[in-house]
Amino acid sequence: QMHLQESGPGLVKPSETLSLTCNFSGDSIDESFWTWLRQSPGKGLEWIGYFYYSGSTNYNVHLKSRVTMSLDTSKNEFSLRLTSVTAADTATYYCARLPKGEWEMLDYWGPGIVVTVSS
Amino acid sequence: DIQMTQSPSSLSASVGDRVIITCRSSQSIKSFLNWYQQKPGQAPKVLIYGASILYRGVPSRFSGSGSGTDFTLTISGLQPEDFATYYCLQTYSNPRTFGQGTKVEMK
Repeated sequence: QMHLQESGPGLVKPSETLSLTCNFSGDSIDESFWTWLRQSPGKGLEWIGYFYYSGSTNYNVHLKSRVTMSLDTSKNEFSLRLTSVTAADTATYYCARLPKGEWEMLDYWGPGIVVTVSS
Repeated sequence: DIQMTQSPSSLSASVGDRVIITCRSSQSIKSFLNWYQQKPGQAPKVLIYGASILYRGVPSRFSGSGSGTDFTLTISGLQPEDFATYYCLQTYSNPRTFGQGTKVEMK
């Protein structure tokens, strides 16, 4: 059974960098694309992007200049870094799995972590 | 960006009802559409992908149809556990975009 869990600070100051980690179990790292999304009352659900263990990435074009995703295979973790945050980045952040296959879909999600951007 | 527009934004229904939710994209996305269900305090769960393919374990009362720009999610025989918010997601182009959601409430 696949399991994902987000972790990281719940409060980030404006202009600083948001760093989140997703720990996963139950899957081989190279069988899936690892995805980040977020949800806020104002913007709804928003796709941030995904990456593959080979280093291939697909970031939201509107966030691309501020986003970096990475993987730590030794810890079964993948990470999100979002730089120069503002109040508009306040949201619940989710990690999710996108399994390789003919059709793209997100079949396993973490429970989400609330991140607030405020001084 | 491809804009996804769901209708209605909310609806009231009773157990046993047939519920239809529509999703329209601002340009053709072929069949690259998912449907998700989200309950309060929980992450979304996939119901349908490829516009009409039922994800394993999802009850058969859920069905999806459509291609191009117009899609529907149908719940045939609403159950108490189906009261939730439903979202469509296009996976055709970057950025992937969600509809604004349809909240299904108890009448």
